[in-house]
Amino acid sequence: ETGVTQSPTHLIKTRGQQVTLRCSSQSGHNTVSWYQQALGQGPQFIFQYYREEENGRGNFPPRFSGLQFPNYSSELNVNALELDDSALYLCASSKALIGSYEQYFGPGTRLTVT
Amino acid sequence: AQSVTQLGSHVSVSEGALVLLRCNYSSSVPPYLFWYVQYPNQGLQLLLKYTTGATLVKGINGFEAEFKKSETSFHLTKPSAHMSDAAEYFCAVSDNTGNQFYFGTGTSLTVIP
Repeated sequence: ETGVTQSPTHLIKTRGQQVTLRCSSQSGHNTVSWYQQALGQGPQFIFQYYREEENGRGNFPPRFSGLQFPNYSSELNVNALELDDSALYLCASSKALIGSYEQYFGPGTRLTVT
Repeated sequence: AQSVTQLGSHVSVSEGALVLLRCNYSSSVPPYLFWYVQYPNQGLQLLLKYTTGATLVKGINGFEAEFKKSETSFHLTKPSAHMSDAAEYFCAVSDNTGNQFYFGTGTSLTVIP
């Protein structure tokens, strides 16, 4: 069984640029959630995708957007990067089953904005 | 609205001693509660979860947690700490839809030989 994978591992961007982060779900999982983890903080929920549609969103501006593909992989796009966007971005996949909700996390993408 | 408070950003215990990491939650609906562990430069790994049923939940690596509704708490314990338990621990809460998870700010556990 393949776990959650994310790419790239590290990324350096300049303020104002755009970035795309990618996530492949664990086999059999149909739901993907994205989190931002700033240094020394807990993960902050960005949004969740289920069956290619946004299924919940945290307190993040519209310049954070996402996609989920038919194979349940996902992308996180961030436009007009700001210095505060520097963080570890975590992807988590799960099965949308009542009583489950176990999320399996990938290793993350470390984004640095200069 | 839901939120999690983890008391103590840093906890140090001696090897073999009891581990107690505190978590209090706020939720307007019956919560689902989780503990995750994060090792350096890695993602989060689920230790245990409470959804419904028995309030004492056992997880991996000898950890357990008890859901106490009256105290709005979900503290994590382990009877005897091991060096390999040194890591960052996060408590999280979700409603029963699982659409949004709210994490605490984490507790860094140090195990002293």
